[in-house]
Amino acid sequence: AAGVIQSPRHLIKEKRETATLKCYPIPRHDTVYWYQQGPGQDPQFLISFYEKMQSDKGSIPDRFSAQQFSDYHSELNMSSLELGDSALYFCASSLGSGTGYYEQYFGPGTRLTVT
Amino acid sequence: KNEVEQSPQNLTAQEGEFITINCSYSVGISALHWLQQHPGGGIVSLFMLSSGKKKHGRLIATINIQEKHSSLHITASHPRDSAVYICAVTGGSQGNLIFGKGTKLSVKP
Repeated sequence: AAGVIQSPRHLIKEKRETATLKCYPIPRHDTVYWYQQGPGQDPQFLISFYEKMQSDKGSIPDRFSAQQFSDYHSELNMSSLELGDSALYFCASSLGSGTGYYEQYFGPGTRLTVT
Repeated sequence: KNEVEQSPQNLTAQEGEFITINCSYSVGISALHWLQQHPGGGIVSLFMLSSGKKKHGRLIATINIQEKHSSLHITASHPRDSAVYICAVTGGSQGNLIFGKGTKLSVKP
């Protein structure tokens, strides 16, 4: 069965550079969530999209932006990168959104290293 | 105080032992998830439950909504079960997960 795809899997950037992470949800899933997991930390919710509209926002820095496209894939754009942005970035997809019983399926993550 | 608390933080077991990981939460939830994360790896969803009990192979998850508590049990543990097990709840208005800090399990042969 198709899973959530993230690209790239690894990314190395320098401070002040920009990075774009991509997430391709499971076919027919209409909701994408982005999470950030720093070294030794638990994942933190960044932002989510449902039917191409932002549905909720967590602890996402102003330097980051994201969107969901017509084919439901999502991109997380990160500018003015800082050392503290080094983390594993997960996306998850689900069919449906809102309060309820929607199982999230996780991608393998993109490991971003900022030097 | 974290909204999702797990215990223990670290757990070492011998192969074959019965393992229990506990999760307590303080927020209203619509569902609770148990996730598995291997070192440097992605996250795999083990269970999603909102009531009662679920079983999959050697894994059993239970939840008590009134007590806001869930447990993950592993029977006949094996070294390949070594991973971080994370409890997460569906919170907020749009279904994003609130994560516990995870339990690092190491099963020795």
